[in-house]
Amino acid sequence: EVQLVQSRAEVKKPGESLKISCTGSGYIFTTHWIAWVRQVPGKGLEWMGIIYPDDSNTRYSPSFRGQVTISADKSLSTAYLQWSSLKASDTAIYYCARLARVFRAFDIWGQGTTVTVSS
Amino acid sequence: DIQMTQSPSSLSASVGDRVTITCQASQDIRNYLNWYQQKPGKAPKLLIYGGSNLETGVPSRFSGSGSGTDFTFTISSLQPEDIATYYCQQYDDPLITFGQGTRLENK
Repeated sequence: EVQLVQSRAEVKKPGESLKISCTGSGYIFTTHWIAWVRQVPGKGLEWMGIIYPDDSNTRYSPSFRGQVTISADKSLSTAYLQWSSLKASDTAIYYCARLARVFRAFDIWGQGTTVTVSS
Repeated sequence: DIQMTQSPSSLSASVGDRVTITCQASQDIRNYLNWYQQKPGKAPKLLIYGGSNLETGVPSRFSGSGSGTDFTFTISSLQPEDIATYYCQQYDDPLITFGQGTRLENK
């Protein structure tokens, strides 16, 4: 079964760092881009950025560039999203999703990682 | 950047109704337009890709049409399990944008 499994929910304080993960299985991880998508509670979906695990070629949404870092370890079939200094406004559910080659749709999604930032 | 205007933002409908949602792109995106369904507490699910192609396993009451800048998503006969929020998404290398979402409620 093709799937993306994300790391568990996190509760952090403002200013702390965090790295969440997304591990793929059931397919060749290096052949598909992996994106990160944010969903603030009660709001819509926001594309944050995308990485090609084979060569770590990364592209960011202008809204998120400089705010987060996306990386990947192809030997572990895992993509990462990290923050160096969290803010309360980073509280959200973060999804990873696989970009299909055909028409660039997100065909496989992780279950989501809830990040709560509160003092 | 390409902007996506999705409407309506919310919609009330009854079981059996025909439901239509539209998505308009600020520039020509050919048919790089996809539609998703998201139920509360769940990840989004791909329903339609390339404007009009039904994802494997998705019921045929869901359909999509359009190309260029104007796209339509239709549920031909609303079922109770279709109550959800629906999003369009465009791909314009290297940027990706989602529509604002349409919350479909039971009338």
